[in-house]
Order: sequence, then C-alpha cells, then structure tokens
Amino acid sequence: EAQVTQNPRYLITVTGKKLTVTCSQNMNHEYMSWYRQDPGLGLRQIYYSMNVEVTDKGDVPEGYKVSRKEKRNFPLILESPSPNQTSLYFCASSPAGTYSNQPQHFGDGTRLSIL
Amino acid sequence: GQQLNQSPQSMFIQEGEDVSMNCTSSSIFNTWLWYKQDPGEGPVLLIALYKAGELTSNGRLTAQFGITRKDSFLNISASIPSDVGIYFCAGQRTGSARQLTFGSGTQLTVLP
Repeated sequence: EAQVTQNPRYLITVTGKKLTVTCSQNMNHEYMSWYRQDPGLGLRQIYYSMNVEVTDKGDVPEGYKVSRKEKRNFPLILESPSPNQTSLYFCASSPAGTYSNQPQHFGDGTRLSIL
Repeated sequence: GQQLNQSPQSMFIQEGEDVSMNCTSSSIFNTWLWYKQDPGEGPVLLIALYKAGELTSNGRLTAQFGITRKDSFLNISASIPSDVGIYFCAGQRTGSARQLTFGSGTQLTVLP
C-alpha cells in the first residue's frame, strides 16, 4: 500500500531536549515536505526537499532542521524545542519532474507537545 | 507566507442538505486542490483542478477552478454524516518550489 509514515504519532517532551520526527514514503517520490498545523492557521510549510541532498526553507523554518540523505526518508529535527513548537506536524510527498503537477499525499500526523 | 481566504469557517447543516464553501486569493495559482481531514488523520485529497474554468466532480463533490485563477469553490450535495470533518483548499504554483498554500479550513458538522 502506498503511504507516508510518520513516527512517533504522539510525543510529549520538555524544552531544550532534542527530538527527531521521522517520515518515510514508499512511492519513490522525489518531493517531500513538512507542514505544521495550528488552530485557525491551516497548514504552513516548514521545509521541503526536491530530491536527495536538496532541501529548502518553507514559510516557517525557524527552529527546525531537515535532512534528505535517502529518497524515501525526510526527518524533521528540533535541536532545542520550545513551547511555541507545540503543534500537529504532517509530512507529505509527491512526484516531481514530468509528474510535478501531481498532488501531495500526507501522512497521518505527529502531535508534539513541548512543556 | 500568504494564506488563502477560506469561508465559511464552520457550518452546521442537516443531513441531506447541500453545502458550498470557497477560497479566494490575491495571487494566481496553477493548481487548486481540495482536501478533507478527519480527526487524528492527515489531509486526504478530494479533488484536484489544473485548468482555469475547470469543473470537476467526484461522486457528490463538485469543485471549480475560477477563471481568474484566484479562487475555487467546493460543493457537496445531499450531505451524509460521514461528510463531517475539516475541508481545506490549497493552491499550488508549478515550479521548483511547488509550495502548497492552504486555507484555514471549513469545519463541517452534519446533523441527523
């Protein structure tokens, strides 16, 4: 089954303790992206990646890092989490190139609470 | 980053009624998408629109890509209880970034 898998689904942690949220897709998609969802604001893009070793900032990149060492994985790293990063996070992927107009497919989300 | 103006923010309707929601933007998009999000899950694509003026249906759902490329609407006919959820519009610009810009969502409640 084609899917985007995020882990963990839920995490409660404390300010300053580094954490990583993993994202993996099994569709051989070149494009991957991270969003955060906050009440009343919809989804806002954090970082995206057009392909392996190619990443770029989205609308709200501050406080986040990403890496794209393999095509299927796109982890989101919070080096020093703060309470304003408490949110619901979604990873998404889609094809690029010839099929670049294909919509993005989303994972089921990771709810982070930073105390 | 820019956000789309999506309205209404919430709707309470009776089962069997039709529903309409829309999104407007000050910028042009090449693609308009409509997603639905159920509690505890990620957004799921309902309809994708690729051409200005395009009208596309998916079962009881119909969506249109505005002629100006700055707006889109979604209609749901004969609503049923499982239509409950949050509906998001999203605009996408073709190009290297392929960034999605989302509306703030419409929370739909269907009353029996």
